[in-house]
Amino acid sequence: GQQLNQSPQSMFIQEGEDVSMNCTSSSIFNTWLWYKQDPGEGPVLLIALYKAGELTSNGRLTAQFGITRKDSFLNISASIPSDVGIYFCAGISNTGNQFYFGTGTSLTVIP
Amino acid sequence: GAGVSQSPRYKVAKRGQDVALRCDPISGHVSLFWYQQALGQGPEFLTYFQNEAQLDKSGLPSDRFFAERPEGSVSTLKIQRTQQEDSAVYLCASSTTSGNTIYFGEGSWLTVV
Repeated sequence: GQQLNQSPQSMFIQEGEDVSMNCTSSSIFNTWLWYKQDPGEGPVLLIALYKAGELTSNGRLTAQFGITRKDSFLNISASIPSDVGIYFCAGISNTGNQFYFGTGTSLTVIP
Repeated sequence: GAGVSQSPRYKVAKRGQDVALRCDPISGHVSLFWYQQALGQGPEFLTYFQNEAQLDKSGLPSDRFFAERPEGSVSTLKIQRTQQEDSAVYLCASSTTSGNTIYFGEGSWLTVV
């Protein structure tokens, strides 16, 4: 199935550092979503973006919907140990029933 | 319920056995999705329902996989004659009609031995 290109694949950072990850697609999406998945759990929604150019924050998380509607990025500021996990982007097509995930970014925060 | 509920959480099946995985979506959510997630990979689309209608089943890997949602609420994903390559987490998700936010269950972890 189709998957969005997400980078980097993995990150190892010191506690307190900022993190940036992005997601690109060859297709246009109407909605971009960012999820975090902990081991043994389902993905949990972090941020939803509905308009090209939109910049949205949720606490230490900031995400943007690219102008071309083919990309999005997620920033995490001042990382803490509980930020550890796998982050997935997801795009929803204009029909609402085509919903594809990125390949994931595994984040490790070193105390 | 408050969230998407899936059962069983964990299932070990012998190769060749049939399994059934259940999903209770968020109450009132029209759309329901099933995804398969292999270890270290992102979720891959299997099938999509709008109410009781299965509108897209293009992601089902073989005819051993079957999904239904007969009353437009609870859905069951059935895998017949399980194979080792079926071992994965099966995630269910639901959304409202607008489909602009999708919520996931915790997944059913299937191991075929």
